[in-house]
Amino acid sequence: GENVEQHPSTLSVQEGDSAVIKCTYSDSASNYFPWYKQELGKRPQLIIDIRSNVGEKKDQRIAVTLNKTAKHFSLHITETQPEDSAVYFCAASIGGSNYKLTFGKGTLLTVNP
Amino acid sequence: GAVVSQHPSWVICKSGTSVKIECRSLDFQATTMFWYRQFPKQSLMLMATSNEGSKATYEQGVEKDKFLINHASLTLSTLTVTSAHPEDSSFYICSASWLAGGLGSKNIQYFGAGTRLSVL
Repeated sequence: GENVEQHPSTLSVQEGDSAVIKCTYSDSASNYFPWYKQELGKRPQLIIDIRSNVGEKKDQRIAVTLNKTAKHFSLHITETQPEDSAVYFCAASIGGSNYKLTFGKGTLLTVNP
Repeated sequence: GAVVSQHPSWVICKSGTSVKIECRSLDFQATTMFWYRQFPKQSLMLMATSNEGSKATYEQGVEKDKFLINHASLTLSTLTVTSAHPEDSSFYICSASWLAGGLGSKNIQYFGAGTRLSVL
């Protein structure tokens, strides 16, 4: 089955700096890659996603890049703010009849004011 | 849009009793619902996938007789933890999804707020 590795497990940055979280996946058939943000005690929220036919996608301060050849994708957050502090999960989906997601282990991002 | 409601948010029960958790899609019809378990400071572990009107597909290592899933309608799925024991204490989260975008669609999962189960 699919295996998703996520790094780093923790990341601490100063407010205003950029943060980058990287994920790799094992199954070349995966074609959908969402990123979720989970604040303490709350539900995971979809923040951005990308399909395999696109190399990069941007939404304001958040961007995701995908390298299909290398089977890795990254989340980039620019001009970080304290409210960006949360756990971020990457995921991969092969699609098909059940579209289940395989999640990475998460990255705890702390933005220091 | 895409609101998923999960109840209860927190439940405490005695060992040996059963607990039912509900997951509802409030403003859309979910073709598929997923149930996850999340341990403290860990990732989301998929337990099972359920489609309306059919039996759930359980992940390897998840006991289907222990974690009963019913998906009776396009807006409701339930997870029943039967004969709960302290080791079943955890955070359970559901998600609901539908195919968005027609051709070249993607399956977006929207999550409930989770249920914290404590078994005494």
